[in-house]
Amino acid sequence: SQQGEEDPQALSIQEGENATMNCSYKTSINNLQWYRQNSGRGLVHLILIRSNEREKHSGRLRVTLDTSKKSSSLLITASRAADTASYFCATDDNFNKFYFGSGTKLNVKP
Amino acid sequence: DGGITQSPKYLFRKEGQNVTLSCEQNLNHDAMYWYRQDPGQGLRLIYYSQIVNDFQKGDIAEGYSVSREKKESFPLTVTSAQKNPTAFYLCASTEGAGETQYFGPGTRLLVL
Repeated sequence: SQQGEEDPQALSIQEGENATMNCSYKTSINNLQWYRQNSGRGLVHLILIRSNEREKHSGRLRVTLDTSKKSSSLLITASRAADTASYFCATDDNFNKFYFGSGTKLNVKP
Repeated sequence: DGGITQSPKYLFRKEGQNVTLSCEQNLNHDAMYWYRQDPGQGLRLIYYSQIVNDFQKGDIAEGYSVSREKKESFPLTVTSAQKNPTAFYLCASTEGAGETQYFGPGTRLLVL
């Protein structure tokens, strides 16, 4: 299976701290994406990094990709209580099929 | 207001009954997807369609069926053959291969 796996499964931090989540996958990819899901809601796209990119920024988000290690990390800086959610990585194959990990549940305490 | 809509928000199924979940998009996307999410878990692909009148099975297609007669619509039927249908069902679409997926708000299916 190409499915990604996030680490840690759960993360609890204080508001203002940084949160780092990791994703590992098994086979070669075109792109890797990170999504956020608030409880009981649909997923919201955060950022896409292509296989030939190593780092990407969007606001308080920083994503890195290491294709040699088949891993990615998502850093959320200066976290807020509103960042409390589950975060998923997703990879795609050459056939427009996506694979999601089991997610990291982030709790930001005010 | 562009996006993906799913209905109903909650759906109750009786034993032996088929139920259909609706998914509509006005984003003009070619590809559409159905995922199942169990509590505390990630998303598992049920079916996907890259073009009208064509669809492929995902990893857990047994007990489900789909149709794609229109670009905007990709309904999912949960048949009586699906013995454990209680889950959160998410529909998504993409504008191109490997691009961003846009998700609907989901339908929660419960068994009576």
